[in-house]
Amino acid sequence: EPEVTQTPSHQVTQMGQEVILRCVPISNHLYFYWYRQILGQKVEFLVSFYNNEISEKSEIFDDQFSVERPDGSNFTLKIRSTKLEDSAMYFCASSDFRRYSGNTIYFGEGSWLTVV
Amino acid sequence: QKEVEQDPGPLSVPEGAIVSLNCTYSNSAFQYFMWYRQYSRKGPELLMYTYSSGNKEDGRFTAQVDKSSKYISLFIRDSQPSDSATYLCAMHIRLFGNEKLTFGTGTRLTIIP
Repeated sequence: EPEVTQTPSHQVTQMGQEVILRCVPISNHLYFYWYRQILGQKVEFLVSFYNNEISEKSEIFDDQFSVERPDGSNFTLKIRSTKLEDSAMYFCASSDFRRYSGNTIYFGEGSWLTVV
Repeated sequence: QKEVEQDPGPLSVPEGAIVSLNCTYSNSAFQYFMWYRQYSRKGPELLMYTYSSGNKEDGRFTAQVDKSSKYISLFIRDSQPSDSATYLCAMHIRLFGNEKLTFGTGTRLTIIP
């Protein structure tokens, strides 16, 4: 079964450092997302991406965050200057909006980011 | 008022019991409703997806939506220890190119053998 893959599974970084989280969405999907989940809290939307541009972002997704689709398969989340409160599990997701019914969003296994 | 409310549990039931998990929501614009299962430190796994009021069944799982009451439920029949996980409800407004999901906090479920 096709799946969303994410790397790294776990990264520890020092406060102020830049981090890039990588994702390979499901191959025929057109819509890509990043969500995050702080330990013990709910899953929160960060950003959606379609046709090589951001289609929506939350208030969490401030100027320190950016997303990119550098080639035909990868989708990345960059955090420019990490803060302690960025420690969370980051989930990449993708969906195929072309079908009217069965509109589903599939999540990767997550990248656990620890900022120290 | 939170957009999506979900009882965080924890909920413990004996193996074989019927489990009922529930969410309420306040935004009438939500049209699409999903249930995800999340094991510890793993990604959400889609279980059920529905967009109309009524019931949808898939094996041991039944998703129920009541849009008039803004209430959704997930029923698990013949519960198994492998069903032990956190169950997340999620919903979204269908706009072209916009599928931002709003999640509940999740209910942690334990099935006791």
